[in-house]
Amino acid sequence: EPEVTQTPSHQVTQMGQEVILRCVPISNHLYFYWYRQILGQKVEFLVSFYNNEISEKSEIFDDQFSVERPDGSNFTLKIRSTKLEDSAMYFCASSDPISGRGTDTQYFGPGTRLTVL
Amino acid sequence: DAKTTQPTSMDCAEGRAANLPCNHSTISGNEYVYWYRQIHSQGPQYIIHGLKNNETNEMASLIITEDRKSSTLILPHATLRDTAVYYCIVSSYGNNRLAFGKGNQVVVIP
Repeated sequence: EPEVTQTPSHQVTQMGQEVILRCVPISNHLYFYWYRQILGQKVEFLVSFYNNEISEKSEIFDDQFSVERPDGSNFTLKIRSTKLEDSAMYFCASSDPISGRGTDTQYFGPGTRLTVL
Repeated sequence: DAKTTQPTSMDCAEGRAANLPCNHSTISGNEYVYWYRQIHSQGPQYIIHGLKNNETNEMASLIITEDRKSSTLILPHATLRDTAVYYCIVSSYGNNRLAFGKGNQVVVIP
């Protein structure tokens, strides 16, 4: 069964450093998403991406965040200058509204645990 | 999107059916009911969704009341691996963001 994959599974970085989290969405999907989950808290929406541009973003997704689809398979989340409070699990998801019976069911990857020291 | 209300936690007996309730009294006509689960900080796993009719797949059944104000997710034969946080989410088609609440921590007991 196709699945969303994410790398790395765990990333440790120093405060102020840039990190890039990578995702490979399900191959025929057209919409891509990033969510995050701070330890012990809810899963929070960050951004959605369609047709090579951001379709929606939350208030969390400020100027230090960016997303990109650099090629036909990868989808990345870049955090320009990490802060301690960026430590969280980051989940990528993808969906295909065309085949989803009129809904856009999102399928999630296993996540990347980001630790900012 | 409409808000949902779920129990904070519940225990279920292994091998028995687990019935997980969800209230969504402010649901509107174009909103679907989605169920996801999250096993110990893994990525949320899609379970099932429905609009009006009851739905069944290999994982679970979804029973939606006629007025659509509540629903029940049924795990037919709970196993220890079903221990997870279960999220009931209401979302309309084309809505990009899934609004996860705190969910229902379900523990399957041997």
